[in-house]
Amino acid sequence: QITLKESGPTLVKPTQTLTLTCSFSGFSLTSMGVGVGWIRQPPGKGLEWLALIHWDDDKRYSPSLRSRLTITKDTSKNQVILAMTNMDPVDTGTYFCAHKAGWELQNAYDIWGQGTLVTVSS
Amino acid sequence: IQMTQSPPVLSASVGDRVTITCRASQGISDSLAWYQQRPGKAPKLLIYAASTLQSGVPSRFSGSGSGTEFTLTISSLQPEDFATYYCQKLNTFPPTFGPGTRVEIK
Repeated sequence: QITLKESGPTLVKPTQTLTLTCSFSGFSLTSMGVGVGWIRQPPGKGLEWLALIHWDDDKRYSPSLRSRLTITKDTSKNQVILAMTNMDPVDTGTYFCAHKAGWELQNAYDIWGQGTLVTVSS
Repeated sequence: IQMTQSPPVLSASVGDRVTITCRASQGISDSLAWYQQRPGKAPKLLIYAASTLQSGVPSRFSGSGSGTEFTLTISSLQPEDFATYYCQKLNTFPPTFGPGTRVEIK
């Protein structure tokens, strides 16, 4: 059974760097085709894809946020870390990590964490 | 590639057949997924490859389409189906989501 759980600060100040950790179980991030992605959702709004790291350490970012995002993995700890610099109140929202399946599910995001709410305020 | 959905809000009753449309600004073949999100919960994968039902998803959900126009149909709306539905393109990066369609009780 695949599970993912996000952790990190609930409150950050403007201009600070947000660091979120996705801890997962039930799969290995060394398995071909597998990835872990981050998606966020401002309060009352839609989903925004942020970043993805693949089993082979290939990394992809949202073009609009590329300069602010860094995604890394620690396979020994079964964790994926997302860092977002220069936080602003508009970055307030729930941040989800999700398991990206391989080609058998056409790279869809089949299992999601519960999400963690991050508020940006001074 | 931009993704749009219509309608933004759909009012329906239990037992109704409902259809949600997702359009891509360029052709994406069948590289599309549909997700359901209930309030306060994480999204749940319903359909991938435009029409393949994810394991465990009730058969009242179905998807169709290819290229630029896709539909999600719920054949007989159940109380637990009142939620927001998102499409997502999967063929190229970034895997953009549509803006969502909220299905509410009439």
